[in-house]
Amino acid sequence: DAKTTQPNSMESNEEEPVHLPCNHSTISGTDYIHWYRQLPSQGPEYVIHGLTSNVNNRMASLAIAEDRKSSTLILHRATLRDAAVYYCILRVAGNQFYFGTGTSLTVIP
Amino acid sequence: DGGITQSPKYLFRKEGQNVTLSCEQNLNHDAMYWYRQDPGQGLRLIYYSQIVNDFQKGDIAEGYSVSREKKESFPLTVTSAQKNPTAFYLCASSIFPLTSGVNSEQFFGPGTRLTVL
Repeated sequence: DAKTTQPNSMESNEEEPVHLPCNHSTISGTDYIHWYRQLPSQGPEYVIHGLTSNVNNRMASLAIAEDRKSSTLILHRATLRDAAVYYCILRVAGNQFYFGTGTSLTVIP
Repeated sequence: DGGITQSPKYLFRKEGQNVTLSCEQNLNHDAMYWYRQDPGQGLRLIYYSQIVNDFQKGDIAEGYSVSREKKESFPLTVTSAQKNPTAFYLCASSIFPLTSGVNSEQFFGPGTRLTVL
């Protein structure tokens, strides 16, 4: 399974931007970078995914390094509802999703 | 209002009993999945099904069984052979099967928390 490395936890103040890093130094050319988040006692929720170019959607932005060995999920203005565990996942289309332990984001009012 | 439903939300079982967890989706998705999550851990794949009447073992299938008689339904049975069944169980679906080669997202249900007494 493809490996990603994320910090165990991060904190952010409410209304400020949050940058959640992910290292994936063993990424291959066909691996997509997916981000999911999981609120306490709920199922994970899709956030965003990308391959090479930066991506934006209504929830977040995904910035992918030029060598693709790292990426950053950007929440532009953190709210209390963004407090969750964020998973960075590498996936080759046709293969399983492998969820690691993720980054637990705390948002401080 | 489309989505995935799992029932019950909480389930208690005595040791040695089989128990079946329900998962239903009205998204018309081909593929469905069962994951297990232990406290402070990520998700591990138990079984997945890409089409009706077909299913494949995931990484931790021992002690579990599934069926896929209808597209909308993918129940999971936790048997007495599962040594440590207490966990949070999550069902998911995706529009395309894994082998389609299409990179599609997964939609998750709210989960069932199983506790063995």
